[in-house]
Amino acid sequence: SAVISQKPSRDICQRGTSLTIQCQVDSQVTMMFWYRQQPGQSLTLIATANQGSEATYESGFVIDKFPISRPNLTFSTLTVSNMSPEDSSIYLCSVEDRREKLFFGSGTQLSVL
Amino acid sequence: RKEVEQDPGPFNVPEGATVAFNCTYSNSASQSFFWYRQDCRKEPKLLMSVYSSGNEDGRFTAQLNRASQYISLLIRDSKLSDSATYLCVVRTSWYSSASKIIFGSGTRLSIRP
Repeated sequence: SAVISQKPSRDICQRGTSLTIQCQVDSQVTMMFWYRQQPGQSLTLIATANQGSEATYESGFVIDKFPISRPNLTFSTLTVSNMSPEDSSIYLCSVEDRREKLFFGSGTQLSVL
Repeated sequence: RKEVEQDPGPFNVPEGATVAFNCTYSNSASQSFFWYRQDCRKEPKLLMSVYSSGNEDGRFTAQLNRASQYISLLIRDSKLSDSATYLCVVRTSWYSSASKIIFGSGTRLSIRP
């Protein structure tokens, strides 16, 4: 299993500002995943962060809005840029073990005013 | 049609009852199947994998029906602590670059005393 430390756990932000979310994993992993979960809904994959290359974004998500860094095999950040109230959501990072099992950070609850 | 569909519930059952959820998937190339549990305001956690031969873990039984493209989760002798949202997760392949992990929207279960 993997243990992921994610922070901040929650934040309230003003529209137009940016927030960077950090995830630290207790082991080296090739890929890290960033998800968004809007109230009452399931998880939607934002992007996959690979160490040493640019992140791969899913349809509907762009790098300018959600820049991702992956400086090493245990750490990644997701920035939510130029926030609007529609960005209010829970953001989760995740890693996968060799048996395809996903482990998640505790999530960041973001509220944009 | 959604790639992974679940009955959103809520299922409200008395303690000790048996409850079952189904999850249907549309992509016949799907390879791996899982049930995750998500408590309110918490991150998802793996409950169990679903194998072709079925999988039982204590009070929980998961089954896969490839012909009809659905998986099921059965909870026997339900406990108050089983109250949560249960997420069905489907993966299309393992070593393919086009591999995708799809989350169902979740089934809410509430166990009453």
